[in-house]
Amino acid sequence: AQSVTQLDSQVPVFEEAPVELRCNYSSSVSVYLFWYVQYPNQGLQLLLKYLSGSTLVKGINGFEAEFNKSQTSFHLRKPSVHISDTAEYFCAVSDRGDDKIIFGKGTRLHILP
Amino acid sequence: DVKVTQSSRYLVKRTGEKVFLECVQDMDHENMFWYRQDPGLGLRLIYFSYDVKMKEKGDIPEGYSVSREKKERFSLILESASTNQTSMYLCASSLIVSDQPQHFGDGTRLSIL
Repeated sequence: AQSVTQLDSQVPVFEEAPVELRCNYSSSVSVYLFWYVQYPNQGLQLLLKYLSGSTLVKGINGFEAEFNKSQTSFHLRKPSVHISDTAEYFCAVSDRGDDKIIFGKGTRLHILP
Repeated sequence: DVKVTQSSRYLVKRTGEKVFLECVQDMDHENMFWYRQDPGLGLRLIYFSYDVKMKEKGDIPEGYSVSREKKERFSLILESASTNQTSMYLCASSLIVSDQPQHFGDGTRLSIL
């Protein structure tokens, strides 16, 4: 069965510094990969998705993620964070042909002034 | 834009009550999902539905049931609420194909006293 591991439950980072949130998934032949963001008291919003093609995927709010098949990873990056990026971030994966998405446990991003 | 609406943001019920959580989506999506979100556990799938009157168990269906009488509406039912069902409940919808992201409501924070 597919599984997703987000290695850090919390990540503190200073404002305007770069950040990387790590995500690994269990091996599969073909997968779709997603990052979602959850701002306080809201539901989840899609940040970006990888379906096929270029391994570097750009999303909203300046975020990007890189698909690495050999390492089964899909790490999320932003070169310069802002206080408004304070949120919880979820990595998710689905096997092709499966309607269900498996979510990681989430990484809480704390932006320090 | 896709709109997924959950009927209540906050709900307080008593142990043993039958509780209904309602979710409506306006984009004619075939798939609908109910998750619960708990700190440190991420999102766990309770039930999902891929068509009217169709349902499938997720990872934690015990103590819950669902109803989908119309395509746009997916109800989660707690047959006899217990304190361990105090949680944030998130509804989501998506198109039938597996490369499509899920769209989430803002959640219902349910407290069982």
